[in-house]
Amino acid sequence: EPEVTQTPSHQVTQMGQEVILRCVPISNHLYFYWYRQILGQKVEFLVSFYNNEISEKSEIFDDQFSVERPDGSNFTLKIRSTKLEDSAMYFCASRPGQGAREQYFGPGTRLTVT
Amino acid sequence: EDQVTQSPEALRLQEGESSSLNCSYTVSGLRGLFWYRQDPGKGPEFLFTLYSAGEEKEKERLKATLTKKESFLHITAPKPEDSATYLCAVPPTFSGGYNKLIFGAGTRLAVHP
Repeated sequence: EPEVTQTPSHQVTQMGQEVILRCVPISNHLYFYWYRQILGQKVEFLVSFYNNEISEKSEIFDDQFSVERPDGSNFTLKIRSTKLEDSAMYFCASRPGQGAREQYFGPGTRLTVT
Repeated sequence: EDQVTQSPEALRLQEGESSSLNCSYTVSGLRGLFWYRQDPGKGPEFLFTLYSAGEEKEKERLKATLTKKESFLHITAPKPEDSATYLCAVPPTFSGGYNKLIFGAGTRLAVHP
């Protein structure tokens, strides 16, 4: 069964450093998302991406964040200058298309900012 | 404000003891309610989508139902492997194209042998 994959599973970085989180969505899916979950809190939406552009972003997704689909399979989230409060699990998700509304999530990347 | 509230926060059951989890929502014009299972340190795993009041979906020991303001996840004769956090999510009222989901805080279910 096709799955969303994410790398790395755990990333430790120092405050102020740039990180890139990588995702391979399910093949033939058209909509892509990033969510995050701070330990013990709700899963919260960051950004959605369709047709090679951002379709919606949350207030959390400020100028320090960017997303890219550099090729036909990868989808990345970049944080330019990490802060302590960026420490969280980051989940990538994908959705097939207009007729199917459920999102399929990857296993997550645990980001620890020290 | 769009909200998703789940109760109880935590539930402890004995193996075989059936129960129900609740998800209430305040969005207008519901365009789908989604149930996910999340194991510790893992991503949410899709379980069900419900679209209209009265709809029911089943998968093994789980059955999800939907009314106009809430959804229930019924667990029949649970086993220890059903232990997980169960999340409920909906698209917000004014989000076009199903661009995002609003999640509840989840119910942590522990099933003991």
